[in-house]
Amino acid sequence: SQKIEQNSEALNIQEGKTATLTCNYTNYSPAYLQWYRQDPGRGPVFLLLIRENEKEKRKERLKVTFDTTLKQSLFHITASQPADSATYLCAHNAGNMLTFGGGTRLMVKP
Amino acid sequence: GAGVSQSPSNKVTEKGKDVELRCDPISGHTALYWYRQSLGQGLEFLIYFQGNSAPDKSGLPSDRFSAERTGGSVSTLTIQRTQQEDSAVYLCASSLAHRGTSGNTIYFGEGSWLTVV
Repeated sequence: SQKIEQNSEALNIQEGKTATLTCNYTNYSPAYLQWYRQDPGRGPVFLLLIRENEKEKRKERLKVTFDTTLKQSLFHITASQPADSATYLCAHNAGNMLTFGGGTRLMVKP
Repeated sequence: GAGVSQSPSNKVTEKGKDVELRCDPISGHTALYWYRQSLGQGLEFLIYFQGNSAPDKSGLPSDRFSAERTGGSVSTLTIQRTQQEDSAVYLCASSLAHRGTSGNTIYFGEGSWLTVV
C-alpha cells in the first residue's frame, strides 16, 4: 500500500543551525509533495509544494528537495530560530485525497 | 470569508449524544475536506466534497459519521451516538478545486476540539 512516513521522534537543534526533516514514501510515485507547519492547537499551514520534475524549491529560509530515486523529500530550515519550533507535516496526493505523514516535531533552542 | 471558519471551537459532549460540527470554507473554494487528528497523531482523512457532492466517503470511520454540504459552501459533519474514541480535533480545509494532480494548496481551519466524556 502507499505510505508516506516521517520520523516521529522530535528533532532538537540549536538556534542558528540548519534543521533537516525527512519524508519518505513507498510503493508509489507522487506527482508532488507538500510541506505544512502545524503549531499546537492550530490547523496546518501550507509552506511549500514541490513537483516530481523539480529537484529543489526555495522560499526565504526554507528549502525542499525531491529525490525520486531515493523516494524522499528533505525539508530544510536554515538559520533556525526558536519561532520555527512546530510540527512539520509532509503530504502527498493519494487518489482523491491529500494524505499526510505523521509529522516531525522540531524544537529550536536559544 | 478571509479564512476557513469552524464552529464550535470546543465541544464537550456526553457519550451517546449526537454532535454537529460546522465548516465555512473560503469564499469561492469548490473543494472542501474533513480530517480528524487525535492527540499527538497525524491527520486522518475523512471525506471531501467537490461542490455539494462527496465522491469519496471512504475515510468515514463508521456509519455514525455523516457529512453534507449545501449551496457549495457550508458543510456539516455529524457524529451520532458519540463514543469516547471519537474525541479528537476535527479539521476542515478548502481549496479552489479538487487537487487531483494539480497540487492546489488547501487551507485549514483551526479545528473543532471534540471531547466525549
